[in-house]
Amino acid sequence: AQTVTQSQPEMSVQEAETVTLSCTYDTSESDYYLFWYKQPPSRQMILVIRQEAYKQQNATENRFSVNFQKAAKSFSLKISDSQLGDAAMYFCAYKETSGSRLTFGEGTQLTVNP
Amino acid sequence: ETGVTQTPRHLVMGMTNKKSLKCEQHLGHNAMYWYKQSAKKPLELMFVYNFKEQTENNSVPSRFSPECPNSSHLFLHLHTLQPEDSALYLCASSQDLGQAETQYFGPGTRLLVL
Repeated sequence: AQTVTQSQPEMSVQEAETVTLSCTYDTSESDYYLFWYKQPPSRQMILVIRQEAYKQQNATENRFSVNFQKAAKSFSLKISDSQLGDAAMYFCAYKETSGSRLTFGEGTQLTVNP
Repeated sequence: ETGVTQTPRHLVMGMTNKKSLKCEQHLGHNAMYWYKQSAKKPLELMFVYNFKEQTENNSVPSRFSPECPNSSHLFLHLHTLQPEDSALYLCASSQDLGQAETQYFGPGTRLLVL
């Protein structure tokens, strides 16, 4: 079974600085999808960024980018120029191509200090 | 605003009560999902519906009964719950069950079972 591990339960960053959140996963598949979701205190789960495993180029969305290392099964999220509104729980998720199931990690609570 | 709404946002119920959670999506999607989010645990997929038909039941106890009358609405009927069922229940939708589809989440219902 696929598993997703986020080894950092909590992280903090100074406003305007850069922070990287770690995620590793375990799978025997060669093609799959990876996601980062953000869950602020409002509890609304919001998609931040997604990556297709067959694409070598790392996905980017404005201040958010990923470092996808397929051989190492690593999928980290980099947040540049951190803003107070980035404070949230961040979840890494995996989705195999053959099904609809999303497998989530346990989450990393990000605090942004002014 | 992600186009997925859930009501109620908060619910307190006794173990003998019967209540229902409602989810509505305004995105024109065909697939809908129920997830359970407990403290200190990853999100757990409960049910998947596609075109009103249940396609996945992740070994959920029968005290949780889903209903999908159409592609826009999804209900979770609750009866004789246990205190350990207290959690955040999240609804999500996607265009369909295709491999590339992204799931969009509602704000969740915070359930407390006394």
